[in-house]
Amino acid sequence: SAVISQKPSRDICQRGTSLTIQCQVDSQVTMMFWYRQQPGQSLTLIATANQGSEATYESGFVIDKFPISRPNLTFSTLTVSNMSPEDSSIYLCSVEGPMVDTQYFGPGTRLTVL
Amino acid sequence: AQTVTQSQPEMSVQEAETVTLSCTYDTSESDYYLFWYKQPPSRQMILVIRQEAYKQQNATENRFSVNFQKAAKSFSLKISDSQLGDAAMYFCAYRSAQDDKIIFGKGTRLHILP
Repeated sequence: SAVISQKPSRDICQRGTSLTIQCQVDSQVTMMFWYRQQPGQSLTLIATANQGSEATYESGFVIDKFPISRPNLTFSTLTVSNMSPEDSSIYLCSVEGPMVDTQYFGPGTRLTVL
Repeated sequence: AQTVTQSQPEMSVQEAETVTLSCTYDTSESDYYLFWYKQPPSRQMILVIRQEAYKQQNATENRFSVNFQKAAKSFSLKISDSQLGDAAMYFCAYRSAQDDKIIFGKGTRLHILP
């Protein structure tokens, strides 16, 4: 499977600030996905990011709060804007492939907002 | 809408024994994929096993196998010869063949007793 890295692996931030999370893949992929995992919870899809087009957001997630960039086929960023303690979560990126219709995940970014 | 239900929040098994994790799902579609992911304390989501709904044969990966009952919409995971490294959160997940979105269950935390 593709090797996926995320930066930072963890961070502690003050409320009202923003954090940008990077996701890098070692091969070109068409689709990248961003998930949120709140403490003790399952994963929830934030948005799907295709290169060259606007990200598609799931219900409950808006671009102003979670802007996403996808400048090329190996890289994406997710920004968590104007953070509050409720944004404290693990944020994971995933990509599809090499197995068809199967997603593989990065190591995640643990965000704590004080 | 599709849903995934894992009715066992936690389970324990003695090392070297066999354990089965339950998962049921609800869908009106006939073509889909089912997955089991493992999330150890490192928080990385690791694909354990994948099943295509049109295949009657149950998927197997070394010590991991599934019991896929399409009519009953059941997809349980059997772990044989449990090892300490199997301790993790296990998520059952569903993906329609028509969509990119993966729907996760709430997870089952598996403890391995030495």
